[in-house]
Amino acid sequence: DTGVSQDPRHKITKRGQNVTFRCDPISEHNRLYWYRQTLGQGPEFLTYFQNEAQLEKSRLLSDRFSAERPKGSFSTLEIQRTEQGDSAMYLCASSSAVYEQYFGPGTRLTVT
Amino acid sequence: GQNIDQPTEMTATEGAIVQINCTYQTSGFNGLFWYQQHAGEAPTFLSYNVLDGLEEKGRFSSFLSRSKGYSYLLLKELQMKDSASYLCAVSLISSGSARQLTFGSGTQLTVLP
Repeated sequence: DTGVSQDPRHKITKRGQNVTFRCDPISEHNRLYWYRQTLGQGPEFLTYFQNEAQLEKSRLLSDRFSAERPKGSFSTLEIQRTEQGDSAMYLCASSSAVYEQYFGPGTRLTVT
Repeated sequence: GQNIDQPTEMTATEGAIVQINCTYQTSGFNGLFWYQQHAGEAPTFLSYNVLDGLEEKGRFSSFLSRSKGYSYLLLKELQMKDSASYLCAVSLISSGSARQLTFGSGTQLTVLP
């Protein structure tokens, strides 16, 4: 399968714990995006990488959130000191320089 | 700011045609996308419009009018499997050249037998 993959698919954590998600984009794609989606809403942009450089961050991305793409391939999104409001589906997408973004299956986070 | 509006819900009958409208007010417009999302799954790409006019792809067509800030997705010969949320998204050119997508809240389409 050469699509975007994300791991884990589901994560349940207690409030205050740290969590880390991984995204493996389509191999030839140099652009990588993280989005967050809550029930009944469309995805909201969080951050963007071009190769290993993080070029944009949404104001939604508080200082508890950090993302990396160390070698311009896979990316990680870490949430520190999780809060119940962080419960959502976290989606990763990748694209080439053209236009279409391909989404991964998402990581569903539940903070109890 | 960015504002994208689409109806929350629509219902149609199998075999019929349905049109889902989307209006937007954005700056730095770089194209409009339609995605389909089944419950619990990731969005999947349906169509992309950057110039005015109609783009046809099989049973699905998408129309764009940039001057009116308006798009629609037309689904023909509806099938039960078309029951899903349809997301309108605008691609924006930003300072970091992200071309991030700004999504509407989605239109939940229910196809009835």
